Amino acid sequence: GEDVEQSLFLSVREGDSSVINCTYTDSSSTYLYWYKQEPGAGLQLLTYIFSNMDMKQDQRLTVLLNKKDKHLSLRIADTQTGDSAIYFCACAPYGGATNKLIFGTGTLLAVQP
Amino acid sequence: DTGVSQDPRHKITKRGQNVTFRCDPISEHNRLYWYRQTLGQGPEFLTYFQNEAQLEKSRLLSDRFSAERPKGSFSTLEIQRTEQGDSAMYLCASSYDRGGLAGATGELFFGEGSRLTVL
Repeated sequence: GEDVEQSLFLSVREGDSSVINCTYTDSSSTYLYWYKQEPGAGLQLLTYIFSNMDMKQDQRLTVLLNKKDKHLSLRIADTQTGDSAIYFCACAPYGGATNKLIFGTGTLLAVQP
Repeated sequence: DTGVSQDPRHKITKRGQNVTFRCDPISEHNRLYWYRQTLGQGPEFLTYFQNEAQLEKSRLLSDRFSAERPKGSFSTLEIQRTEQGDSAMYLCASSYDRGGLAGATGELFFGEGSRLTVL
């Protein structure tokens, strides 16, 4: 079945850039997503990228997609303590026809003041 | 509309008891999903509904689990004869499917989850 993998933990200093990486096996996803989960809260969509794009920038967020290597990354510029959370990448198999998402295990981002 | 709401937020039960969780999706969302999230893991798909029809069930959803969405609005997830391995956060999400029309991003809107602890 589909598999999505992420590194478990990333620690950065406030003001630095954070880069969270994700690899996936499904090649049918039309969209790939980044979700954020803060403690005790549900998942919130941060950004997404269409599969025919290489890069998408949204304020402090930059998403890079390498379809050949099935690698997705999320860069957060000028990381703030409020960015501390778990970040999940997700793909939507079957081209998103069902909106069923397959999530990675999540990367815990810890931002040191 | 304030988003997807789930009830209860926390449930502690003894092994062997039945529990039921409720999800109220964003109104006018025609799709509703249940996910399970255990500690240190990402959400795992359990099942989803298109209106009142349950269209897919994961193999994770054993016979002890049943989900309904009787009128195409709210949904319930019941777990019978709970086991300690059922302890998890149960997440509900909803989305609006425009029938494959261009521009649909497939975004899921999640509730805050119902945490189940089975003693």
